Amino acid sequence: GAVVSQHPSWVICKSGTSVKIECRSLDFQATTMFWYRQFPKQSLMLMATSNEGSKATYEQGVEKDKFLINHASLTLSTLTVTSAHPEDSSFYICSARDAGGARSYGYTFGSGTRLTVV
Amino acid sequence: QKEVEQNSGPLSVPEGAIASLNCTYSDRVSQSFFWYRQYSGKSPELIMSIYSNGDKEDGRFTAQLNKASQYVSLLIRDSQPSDSATYLCAVGFSGGYQKVTFGIGTKLQVIP
Repeated sequence: GAVVSQHPSWVICKSGTSVKIECRSLDFQATTMFWYRQFPKQSLMLMATSNEGSKATYEQGVEKDKFLINHASLTLSTLTVTSAHPEDSSFYICSARDAGGARSYGYTFGSGTRLTVV
Repeated sequence: QKEVEQNSGPLSVPEGAIASLNCTYSDRVSQSFFWYRQYSGKSPELIMSIYSNGDKEDGRFTAQLNKASQYVSLLIRDSQPSDSATYLCAVGFSGGYQKVTFGIGTKLQVIP
């Protein structure tokens, strides 16, 4: 099945700094990747859809200037949390689907990044 | 607004019993349905996908889909303590790279 590698798995940063999270599709090409955020005891909330070679599509209420998404290649998408604040502390997860694989594969998730802003 | 509804639980079942997890969705054009299992602090992992009305079985898991009722369920037979996790229902739309909408998840506790 498809594998999505996400790094780092956890990061602690100071308030006001920026953090970059990477997601790579290891054995397939991901034209589209999705970025989610999950607060404790809450569901996954889609933040944005990342399209290779074009601008990301952000969900309502998500600040595109704060959460910068770059999808420069078919295997790599990055999310940069700029000027992070404690309220940005959350579990960030990327997801993609191998269009060339069986439909039953569904969407594969990265391992997630636990961001703590202090 | 496309919505996916789940009871957050917890749903407690004794070891060896059948756990029944339910999900309803609001958008009639939904085409793809997924069940994910998420352990605390981990990312979701796909358990089942289903696209057509009826039942789909995979080992101890059975997904049931009723598009007319906008209802999808997951049955776990012979529940094990290792099945204790949060089960997320996800609903997607026709073809391509359409995004999916997740329910809040049902927390399942299997009591030894």
